[in-house]
Amino acid sequence: GDSVTQMEGPVTLSEEAFLTINCTYTATGYPSLFWYVQYPGEGLQLLLKATKADDKGSNKGFEATYRKETTSFHLEKGSVQVSDSAVYFCALRVIQGAQKLVFGQGTRLTINP
Amino acid sequence: GAVVSQHPSRVICKSGTSVKIECRSLDFQATTMFWYRQFPKQSLMLMATSNEGSKATYEQGVEKDKFLINHASLTLSTLTVTSAHPEDSSFYICSARDGARADTEAFFGQGTRLTVV
Repeated sequence: GDSVTQMEGPVTLSEEAFLTINCTYTATGYPSLFWYVQYPGEGLQLLLKATKADDKGSNKGFEATYRKETTSFHLEKGSVQVSDSAVYFCALRVIQGAQKLVFGQGTRLTINP
Repeated sequence: GAVVSQHPSRVICKSGTSVKIECRSLDFQATTMFWYRQFPKQSLMLMATSNEGSKATYEQGVEKDKFLINHASLTLSTLTVTSAHPEDSSFYICSARDGARADTEAFFGQGTRLTVV
């Protein structure tokens, strides 16, 4: 079945460092891909998405490009801030049926000042 | 943007009692709603998918008699944890999709932390 694998955390960086969180997927066809962010004690917020190959999603300085050839959707940010500390989830949307989301295991990011 | 409201945000109940969690879409018609469970420091596990006016579809291993889902209207779905036990303590999150819009993402509620004592 469809699945998402993302790099294990936790990841700890200093403010203004470059961030990469790897995400790869296995799916039938070409699903839409998402990055969600979860702050402590809260639900998930959509960070960015891409719906087809070579699309680049971007938001709040974060970017991810849908790479069909490597089945990847890595999240990047050039200069992280303390406020970026959260858990990040990569997800794909199953094409068939109810179009449910399949999540990766989540990566906890901590940014130190 | 679309808003999904989940209530309550926290609930503590005694073992053996039942707890109801509500999930409302505030500005769109949620033809499909999803219920997830999240254990500490883990990912979201899909429990069930519900479509308005029909029975929920449960994922393998989820007890449908334990976790009752009702999606009676296009803006409200409820999850009832029946005869709760300490092992049911978890973070429960709902999400909703606007079925009238093609290729739209699901929006998430704020989550409910259930503690069974």
